[in-house]
Amino acid sequence: NAGVTQTPKFRVLKTGQSMTLLCAQDMNHEYMYWYRQDPGMGLRLIHYSVGEGTTAKGEVPDGYNVSRLKKQNFLLGLESAAPSQTSVYFCASSNPGQGARDTQYFGPGTRLTVL
Amino acid sequence: RKEVEQDPGPFNVPEGATVAFNCTYSNSASQSFFWYRQDCRKEPKLLMSVYSSGNEDGRFTAQLNRASQYISLLIRDSKLSDSATYLCVVNKAAGNKLTFGGGTRVLVKP
Repeated sequence: NAGVTQTPKFRVLKTGQSMTLLCAQDMNHEYMYWYRQDPGMGLRLIHYSVGEGTTAKGEVPDGYNVSRLKKQNFLLGLESAAPSQTSVYFCASSNPGQGARDTQYFGPGTRLTVL
Repeated sequence: RKEVEQDPGPFNVPEGATVAFNCTYSNSASQSFFWYRQDCRKEPKLLMSVYSSGNEDGRFTAQLNRASQYISLLIRDSKLSDSATYLCVVNKAAGNKLTFGGGTRVLVKP
């Protein structure tokens, strides 16, 4: 039981390049999330999904796209990377239906630098 | 104003001492409250949920004050391993989207 995994762990891009971050969870969770964490800013929600085939915008969605083709996977895409997207990206998953006290389980993060 | 605000610290705490810190939230409709712990360069992990009546988990005590819209965390008998950043987290229960504070850094020293 690996929990939530993310690939890659590190990546350096040049401005304008594209890439996809992969998140996978083996806990059969319905909800999945992508966050970014910047110094002093806390975690901010980029996009999230409440089930296979669904996606929704979070607090800071601009410049990112997501897809949830399979329940266990949630992909985050950067079509044209910008230096402002240099950050640590965390994926999380949860299984609501246990009241409002759902616990989100986080992956280990991806450190992205855009030059 | 940020939705969830925390004193960034750091709180320098002698080993064995007690430390407490608060977090304020702006949305009175918030329904669920949590403390997460984040170690340096690691992912956040749930420390404890915060219930209206207050709750305790070993050396950790969490309190919720809905009238004043703040949450507190108290750590007793601090251990070196308690050194971390503590994230205050609020859930408005709309799609289970969590709002994170910027974190309070705690450094426990011998």
